[in-house]
Amino acid sequence: DAGVIQSPRHEVTEMGQEVTLRCKPISGHNSLFWYRQTMMRGLELLIYFNNNVPIDDSGMPEDRFSAKMPNASFSTLKIQPSEPRDSAVYFCASSSRTGANSPLHFGNGTRLTVT
Amino acid sequence: DQQVKQNSPSLSVQEGRISILNCDYTNSMFDYFLWYKKYPAEGPTFLISISSIKDKNEDGRFTVFLNKSAKHLSLHIVPSQPGDSAVYFCAASRGTNAGKSTFGDGTTLTVKP
Repeated sequence: DAGVIQSPRHEVTEMGQEVTLRCKPISGHNSLFWYRQTMMRGLELLIYFNNNVPIDDSGMPEDRFSAKMPNASFSTLKIQPSEPRDSAVYFCASSSRTGANSPLHFGNGTRLTVT
Repeated sequence: DQQVKQNSPSLSVQEGRISILNCDYTNSMFDYFLWYKKYPAEGPTFLISISSIKDKNEDGRFTVFLNKSAKHLSLHIVPSQPGDSAVYFCAASRGTNAGKSTFGDGTTLTVKP
């Protein structure tokens, strides 16, 4: 089991540029979550999908953020345009069952720096 | 309003002794609680969980205690090992969707040899 795979591990970009973060969940997991970790706000849920369908995006900070899950094995989180305050570590996580107390399996994160 | 609080940013213990990490929550609707461990440059990994219908859950060296009336839970590690040195996050959820969890800010545990 390769675990949740995120790419890139590090991203440095200039303000105003588009940023795309990628995630491959664990095979067979039907729920996918995007979390963001910052010093100010800690770990916060941005959006989650069940069976590739977005269920709750109430944590997405602004319209500049968007997420897609075109199939069961791939998801993207896009920021356009990026701003310095978007600098954070973005984690993708998957779990095997919704409607059941299944813990999250996190990827190793993407550290985003917007200058 | 922070609904899950870990008031101790750091904890240092000697190898072989007990480590006790604490977590408080304010939302009485939370009914499932989890602990995650995080090493630098890695994502959090699940450690142990407890449902609100229980007051204790044990897994090897790790035990989680839940006091619903006090809205408090704690993680006990006995005996502590240097490899336990990490950041520990407490998380809480409502209903059965543990993925939609609210996390505390974490406690950095250092176990000294």
